[in-house]
Amino acid sequence: ELKVEQNPLFLSMQEGKNYTIYCNYSTTSDRLYWYRQDPGKSLESLFVLLSNGAVKQEGRLMASLDTKARLSTLHITAAVHDLSATYFCAQTPYNTDKLIFGTGTRLQVFP
Amino acid sequence: DAGVIQSPRHEVTEMGQEVTLRCKPISGHDYLFWYRQTMMRGLELLIYFNNNVPIDDSGMPEDRFSAKMPNASFSTLKIQPSEPRDSAVYFCASSRTDRLPQYFGPGTRLTVL
Repeated sequence: ELKVEQNPLFLSMQEGKNYTIYCNYSTTSDRLYWYRQDPGKSLESLFVLLSNGAVKQEGRLMASLDTKARLSTLHITAAVHDLSATYFCAQTPYNTDKLIFGTGTRLQVFP
Repeated sequence: DAGVIQSPRHEVTEMGQEVTLRCKPISGHDYLFWYRQTMMRGLELLIYFNNNVPIDDSGMPEDRFSAKMPNASFSTLKIQPSEPRDSAVYFCASSRTDRLPQYFGPGTRLTVL
């Protein structure tokens, strides 16, 4: 069964703190995506990771991919309130073009 | 670029009625995807097209759901007859190749009474 699991599901963190969201997937893949969704809004693409060891950074967010461990991480550095949203990872299994989404991690950053 | 366009943005209908959701992908994108999002089931892929041809419809819940893509700039998702459990946000997304991100439309919030 194609499965993408994220943890934690909910994350409440103080501004200025660091934290990591984990994304495990069940089948081999060389394509991993991270999306952000604000409440009541659509999904916005954050990162595309296309190879083992890939690392991408944008502002306070950094994503990495370990295809051997079937694991991707999204690291948050010195969180700010504007990062409050739900973050999804999504995987494309080999030989398909479809995205399998994780459960999402709802992040809330408070002062 | 206008992005992916979906209509209507909100739809309220009664059980048993036919519902048609519409999507215009980004020009030049040859992949189109339909997703459904609910609190209980999260984001689910319903069907996707490549060059207007349906490739995988294994996520379509049952025969009440159908999707078409008559040309590169238009797709529809139809539910007939609709049921309360179809209430969800339906997203359309498009991408240029299979290695680039999918760009999502604003979604259609469907409520079936």
